[in-house]
Amino acid sequence: DSGVTQTPKHLITATGQRVTLRCSPRSGDLSVYWYQQSLDQGLQFLIQYYNGEERAKGNILERFSAQQFPDLHSELNLSSLELGDSALYFCASSVDKGAEYGYTFGSGTRLTVV
Amino acid sequence: KNQVEQSPQSLIILEGKNCTLQCNYTVSPFSNLRWYKQDTGRGPVSLTIMTFSENTKSNGRYTATLDADTKQSSLHITASQLSDSASYICVVRPNTSGTYKYIFGTGTRLKVLA
Repeated sequence: DSGVTQTPKHLITATGQRVTLRCSPRSGDLSVYWYQQSLDQGLQFLIQYYNGEERAKGNILERFSAQQFPDLHSELNLSSLELGDSALYFCASSVDKGAEYGYTFGSGTRLTVV
Repeated sequence: KNQVEQSPQSLIILEGKNCTLQCNYTVSPFSNLRWYKQDTGRGPVSLTIMTFSENTKSNGRYTATLDADTKQSSLHITASQLSDSASYICVVRPNTSGTYKYIFGTGTRLKVLA
């Protein structure tokens, strides 16, 4: 157990729908990072939050949004889902803003859009 | 452009054999380089981290080397086991203090056969 908790582990939904993925960072970590990993692809950085504020943005679609709450858990909202959004979504957390000392990944949420 | 390239893309070896995975990067200035192991459907787990001043770092049967002059790193796996079957990802952090910025390679998929 890495200490980073992601729920749900699996999600199956239809095209056009909206889903919310949840991440609880490791205790003491203030930064949360979201990644998308499509089948046989590398990890694509989506977005980072630090202590409730958006800190860095990667290749996140406009249909996707995220936020970090006062208790530091984060949610990734995916809307108007398309078949191509099917992927593993990982959350990672670090204690600092820049992950100078690395970060810890959760076990992911597997999203299947049918 | 900052890039991280890994080779081979995939590799199949027999249990008990050794193997070496390569990572070439063009990231500059460079802060540190990490190797991650990602089991299928799971989050990446850190194996080693090396700063620009380190040449080698071991973690059990895993040994990473770094040549900052040629911008090359390798991950050597000794006496492979079936559980080593996974993707191995090289990740480079540019020298951007306080800012999240990691460059991911696309990984090498290793399959160890009995």
